[in-house]
Amino acid sequence: AQTVTQSQPEMSVQEAETVTLSCTYDTSESDYYLFWYKQPPSRQMILVIRQEAYKQQNATENRFSVNFQKAAKSFSLKISDSQLGDAAMYFCAYRRFTQGAQKLVFGQGTRLTINP
Amino acid sequence: GAVVSQHPSRVICKSGTSVKIECRSLDFQATTMFWYRQFPKKSLMLMATSNEGSKATYEQGVEKDKFLINHASLTLSTLTVTSAHPEDSSFYICSATRTGGGNQPQHFGDGTRLSIL
Repeated sequence: AQTVTQSQPEMSVQEAETVTLSCTYDTSESDYYLFWYKQPPSRQMILVIRQEAYKQQNATENRFSVNFQKAAKSFSLKISDSQLGDAAMYFCAYRRFTQGAQKLVFGQGTRLTINP
Repeated sequence: GAVVSQHPSRVICKSGTSVKIECRSLDFQATTMFWYRQFPKKSLMLMATSNEGSKATYEQGVEKDKFLINHASLTLSTLTVTSAHPEDSSFYICSATRTGGGNQPQHFGDGTRLSIL
């Protein structure tokens, strides 16, 4: 079974600075998807960024980028120029790469606080 | 964009009551929907996978007779918590995947906060 581990229960950063959230996972599969989701106080899960394991290039979405290290099974999220609206719970998630819909396996989450 | 509507957003009821939560994909068809449970300050735990026109697949440890799932159409899945008790109080979230294969992302509803008195 696949597992996802986020070792940082809480992180804080000054507004406008950069912060990196860590995520490691365990799988025996070679193809899969990795995601970062954001859950603000409103509780809705919002997709931040997604990475296909077969792609060597790290995914980037505006101020959000990942450092995907497949051999190390590491998938960290970097948030640049942090904004107050980035404050939320961030979840790393894994999904198998197969036909049909597949469940997400979530990490424990990291609560990110942005200090003004 | 793909929108998933979950209703109700909050429900408070007495112990022993059965509660139904709806999950609708508003602008796309979803062969598969997922039901998650989230405890305070915790991660999302998958309860079951709901497949249109067939029985749901439950995760280990989830009582299928307690949490009834019905996915009668390509846009609606329901979760019924039967004879709810205080320990069933939690935040329940659904997600839906657009019909079309494993490459499709999951779209989440806003969640339902269930409080059993």
